[in-house]
Amino acid sequence: GAGVSQTPSNKVTEKGKYVELRCDPISGHTALYWYRQSLGQGPEFLIYFQGTGAADDSGLPNDRFFAVRPEGSVSTLKIQRTERGDSAVYLCASSLNVGANTGELFFGEGSRLTVL
Amino acid sequence: GNSVTQMEGPVTLSEEAFLTINCTYTATGYPSLFWYVQYPGEGLQLLLKATKADDKGSNKGFEATYRKETTSFHLEKGSVQVSDSAVYFCALTPSNTGGFKTIFGAGTRLFVKA
Repeated sequence: GAGVSQTPSNKVTEKGKYVELRCDPISGHTALYWYRQSLGQGPEFLIYFQGTGAADDSGLPNDRFFAVRPEGSVSTLKIQRTERGDSAVYLCASSLNVGANTGELFFGEGSRLTVL
Repeated sequence: GNSVTQMEGPVTLSEEAFLTINCTYTATGYPSLFWYVQYPGEGLQLLLKATKADDKGSNKGFEATYRKETTSFHLEKGSVQVSDSAVYFCALTPSNTGGFKTIFGAGTRLFVKA
């Protein structure tokens, strides 16, 4: 399909392990965003990429979280030394228009992370 | 700081009832305002938007008007259907960040009974 694709859809890991979550945005979308959604809450901003660079990473909760987008398309969110509090649905979104604040975000279905 | 507050759910209505989901915001300047919807088993998708004061966004029978004086963007629909059952998120993009950091409310779950 032509939508935002996220893998894996579900990930169960043990406390202290390393996790990678992948996002494949809509072709041609230069902006890519990562959000985190805890149960019963709205999406919480983590990081935004314009092209290959992280334009705003102010939402990353601590230095265990890191994201890359080396070729300006696919992005990987990396979480080191996972903690139970990291359990959430991690959402990726992409958008076409970054020149104005009117752009629609296109979301993937999310990666549900459970840390035991 | 910037924030969005929306009414708590769940909201339960009978089919053809009138729907209002309240949303108020705090932001400097003139943010863009959005309603996103998440149907069961699907990702969030844009329902409607308004980019300046007094604009009315509309889609699929839903409407919301950007009210600067009351800092509100309430979602309304005149006659809901069972297929409208979903979680609705009010959101804003602050005008001072170039549209990069959309802030979401906590969501309101709507159940529509046949």
